[in-house]
Amino acid sequence: EAQVTQNPRYLITVTGKKLTVTCSQNMNHEYMSWYRQDPGLGLRQIYYSMNVEVTDKGDVPEGYKVSRKEKRNFPLILESPSPNQTSLYFCASSSIQGNTDTQYFGPGTRLTVL
Amino acid sequence: QKEVEQDPGPLSVPEGAIVSLNCTYSNSAFQYFMWYRQYSRKGPELLMYTYSSGNKEDGRFTAQVDKSSKYISLFIRDSQPSDSATYLCAGSYSSASKIIFGSGTRLSIRP
Repeated sequence: EAQVTQNPRYLITVTGKKLTVTCSQNMNHEYMSWYRQDPGLGLRQIYYSMNVEVTDKGDVPEGYKVSRKEKRNFPLILESPSPNQTSLYFCASSSIQGNTDTQYFGPGTRLTVL
Repeated sequence: QKEVEQDPGPLSVPEGAIVSLNCTYSNSAFQYFMWYRQYSRKGPELLMYTYSSGNKEDGRFTAQVDKSSKYISLFIRDSQPSDSATYLCAGSYSSASKIIFGSGTRLSIRP
């Protein structure tokens, strides 16, 4: 079954405590990305990756880091989380070759930074 | 000005009606246009994906792109209560670049 998994699904943490949200896909997709969703602002792309070791900034990259060491995994790292990073986060993957109209989103990670 | 603008709604229509959802965008370099559907407490799902101008139809859904006016539309025919969701439009330069989303329109179909 085609799947994008994210962990954890829910996280409450404190300001400044480094955290990582993992994302994994089983479809051998080249393109992976991270989004945050806030009320009234819709989805905003944080970072995206076109393939292993190739990443680029999205619309709101400040305060986030990513890495793409393996094709299936694309973790999101918050080195020093702040309350304004409280949000709902989604990871997604898609193919950039051939049939490009397939994109899968993970179930979301609800992060609260106190 | 946001690169992709979308009326947040909410939009409420009776079952069976034709729904028209619209977005405007400002970046003329956008080549790819997407519509996503998001049910409450769920992740978005890609509904329609179009390249450049023109129409694309998939069942009850039709996506339309008019690059001359920078206007993108999604039409839903014979709307059903199960179509009640938030619909997000998005634009992108290529299939492997940054994606810019509208803020979403909340749609409710009344039985």
